[in-house]
Order: sequence, then C-alpha cells, then structure tokens
Amino acid sequence: AQSVTQPDIHITVSEGASLELRCNYSYGATPYLFWYVQSPGQGLQLLLKYFSGDTLVQGIKGFEAEFKRSQSSFNLRKPSVHWSDAAEYFCAVGGQGGSYIPTFGRGTSLIVHP
Amino acid sequence: DGGITQSPKYLFRKEGQNVTLSCEQNLNHDAMYWYRQDPGQGLRLIYYSQIVNDFQKGDIAEGYSVSREKKESFPLTVTSAQKNPTAFYLCASRTGGSSNQPQHFGDGTRLSIL
Repeated sequence: AQSVTQPDIHITVSEGASLELRCNYSYGATPYLFWYVQSPGQGLQLLLKYFSGDTLVQGIKGFEAEFKRSQSSFNLRKPSVHWSDAAEYFCAVGGQGGSYIPTFGRGTSLIVHP
Repeated sequence: DGGITQSPKYLFRKEGQNVTLSCEQNLNHDAMYWYRQDPGQGLRLIYYSQIVNDFQKGDIAEGYSVSREKKESFPLTVTSAQKNPTAFYLCASRTGGSSNQPQHFGDGTRLSIL
C-alpha cells in the first residue's frame, strides 16, 4: 500500500532563511509526487509535481523539490522564505491501480518569524 | 475562469439534522472527491466518484452520503448518523484516466454543530 510521511508537524524559520520540508513515501512503482500549500481557511493549491525525468522540479512561488529514489524522499525547498509563505504544506503520492486515489501526508505547518 | 466552487463557506448543523454541502466544478473533470480535514490529521477521504452515476466509499464514509447525477456536481450530505461532524470539508476534482494528474481543490466548507 502507498503511504506518505511528513515527519515534521511544525517548522519555524526566520524570514529570509532557507527552508526544507521533508516528505518520505512508500510506493510500489515509479511514484507520481505532489506538493500542495494550504493557507488558513482555504483549499489546497498545487506547488509542484514530479512524474519522471529531471529529479529537481521547479514550482510556483519560488519552491523546488528533489526526488531521491534511493531515499524514497521528495523534499520541498525554498532558498529564502517570505512571511507570506506561512501556511500548511502537504505532500502527496499519486494513486496506483484503477482508482487513482492519491495519498496525502498529515501536513507540515510552517511558521515564519519576522 | 475554471475552478471548483464550494458552498456555503460556513454551515451550522442542529442535532438530528441532515445538511448538504455543495460542490460544483466547470473544469470538465471526470473524477471528484470529498475530504474531511481535522487539525493534525491531514486529509481523510470520505467519498469519491470517477464517473457520473457512480461513487465509492472512502476511508471514513459512515454518516455521509453523496450523489453524482451530473458531471459537474458532487454534493455531500452529512447525516444525523455522523456524531462528530465539526470539521473543514474539501471537495476536489481531477482529470480521470491517470494517476499523474494533480487534484484541484475548492476553498472548503466549515461545518459546526449548534
């Protein structure tokens, strides 16, 4: 069965500092991986996705993620965090089998200090 | 603009009452999903539908019901059998046929008990 683990429930960084949010997955084949962001009281917005090819994926809002098959990881990074990046971040793996149901991690809450 | 519209944004339920959450999409997506979100628990799948007039239970379907009479609409009814309905409910849709397509989310409905 597929699964996603986001080990950090909360992450606190200072504005301007670099950021890395961790995501580990379990999947039986080549995974399809996604990162979403959720601002308070809103839905999820897609930041970036990995299907195949280049293992470093660029997304919106200056985010990037690196797929590492040997570590079963898909960590999200940003070189310089802005106060507006404070939000909940979810990693997800694309579903396998006929139902194509994605599996989400429990999320990481990012707090940005001025 | 194409997207997913959830209504209402806030909803209050009395004891013994059924309430219906609306989800409409104009993205021409085949698949639609309902998630429940509680603090610290990520997204839990309630129901999903891959085509009109067909839907499947997710992980926490008890106390909920859905219908899919039209491609663009996937309403969720929270019945009186759901004893703890207070949560944030998210509707999503996706192009069918492949697990490499991301989901698109609405802005959610927050349901509370009076």
